[in-house]
Amino acid sequence: QKEVEQNSGPLSVPEGAIASLNCTYSDRGSQSFFWYRQYSGKSPELIMFIYSNGDKEDGRFTAQLNKASQYVSLLIRDSQPSDSATYLCAVNGWNNDMRFGAGTRLTVKP
Amino acid sequence: GAVVSQHPSRVICKSGTSVKIECRSLDFQATTMFWYRQFPKQSLMLMATSNEGSKATYEQGVEKDKFLINHASLTLSTLTVTSAHPEDSSFYICSARERRGEAFFGQGTRLTVV
Repeated sequence: QKEVEQNSGPLSVPEGAIASLNCTYSDRGSQSFFWYRQYSGKSPELIMFIYSNGDKEDGRFTAQLNKASQYVSLLIRDSQPSDSATYLCAVNGWNNDMRFGAGTRLTVKP
Repeated sequence: GAVVSQHPSRVICKSGTSVKIECRSLDFQATTMFWYRQFPKQSLMLMATSNEGSKATYEQGVEKDKFLINHASLTLSTLTVTSAHPEDSSFYICSARERRGEAFFGQGTRLTVV
């Protein structure tokens, strides 16, 4: 079982819709969770982090964490074509490393 | 967000030579730095984790004698690819974090071995 799993996609949504990206992790002791966005040929950039169960909102982005289910998600409201990218879920492991999922490729169609 | 500078952004080298990549945290003390490799259209693969002043911890399958990592200060880590071969051509990315906070990425280094 992979430590951090994401659907590879591609996920396609129309402009203005809500994009929902999901991630599960295997290490029950994980404490912090991150979402990064990576455009083709570029390095990842941090979008959000979440430490506590529940929702955390930042502008059009909402991260949701459920530690009991070992599940973290990212919602993008009012999706824009500029949101088209690969979204990486990252989990801080027990030994302070940071492991990434394979990423979900999102396409927002005008 | 915090700034992590990685240099060079692009390098072409001859097979058998060594290449050094630098990763600097410019406005915070990076207690931990990570090195990743990414092949086209694939995910980030963690190569090693290094804590300042300690030896790097390498992931399974990553040759520590080939990929030398030095994290001698709280703002600088280097990755040296020794005796590079064409199969080492890839996008190498570093990231740095302060304690257990979020990690920030360098711009990446595209290595081509000819």
